Amino acid sequence: GAVVSQHPSRVICKSGTSVKIECRSLDFQATTMFWYRQFPKQSLMLMATSNEGSKATYEQGVEKDKFLINHASLTLSTLTVTSAHPEDSSFYICSAETSGANYEQYFGPGTRLTVT
Amino acid sequence: QKEVEQDPGPLSVPEGAIVSLNCTYSNSAFQYFMWYRQYSRKGPELLMYTYSSGNKEDGRFTAQVDKSSKYISLFIRDSQPSDSATYLCAMRETGRRALTFGSGTRLQVQP
Repeated sequence: GAVVSQHPSRVICKSGTSVKIECRSLDFQATTMFWYRQFPKQSLMLMATSNEGSKATYEQGVEKDKFLINHASLTLSTLTVTSAHPEDSSFYICSAETSGANYEQYFGPGTRLTVT
Repeated sequence: QKEVEQDPGPLSVPEGAIVSLNCTYSNSAFQYFMWYRQYSRKGPELLMYTYSSGNKEDGRFTAQVDKSSKYISLFIRDSQPSDSATYLCAMRETGRRALTFGSGTRLQVQP
């Protein structure tokens, strides 16, 4: 149980284009999902918290107009990187939170974005 | 100073050894403590989840939390080459959903 998928697993795009990444909880409903960014050999940095049916909450320093988050259903959240630049190249990972007192987070396999 | 400190390693041990991984933290409001395992180019996998102080055991894994020292540990018994991965500690405060991660320790178990 508690499986989270991400699509695509890898994407290469040209500078100035937009890229959409999907995060799905496959066997449970998640009212809250999280988007992280991870640079090589570094830890995960929280970008935003995505709540189903409401606006995402962004961490300090994360541009909400650049990283658009939509949590349209209890099993799907999307992250769109708009007008991507080479500095946006990174490993993007989502997590979905289970219900109950523990609020455990289960992570997707990640999406490797390369902007050329 | 980072909120969560973790030795990046790499930590290299022979197969069958007992592995000890540790994190220290500065935020006394952290109440929930987790250990994740991350293989290269994959997402983190939840291994252990503990609340407040104490020990928790699951198979070959034991998690310890010492809140008085702000120190948590993960022990792996009878380590296997398949345990070779990066181990991330993570923590959160009561009432807050966001996790704060350590930088991860890279473990290599030599056959």
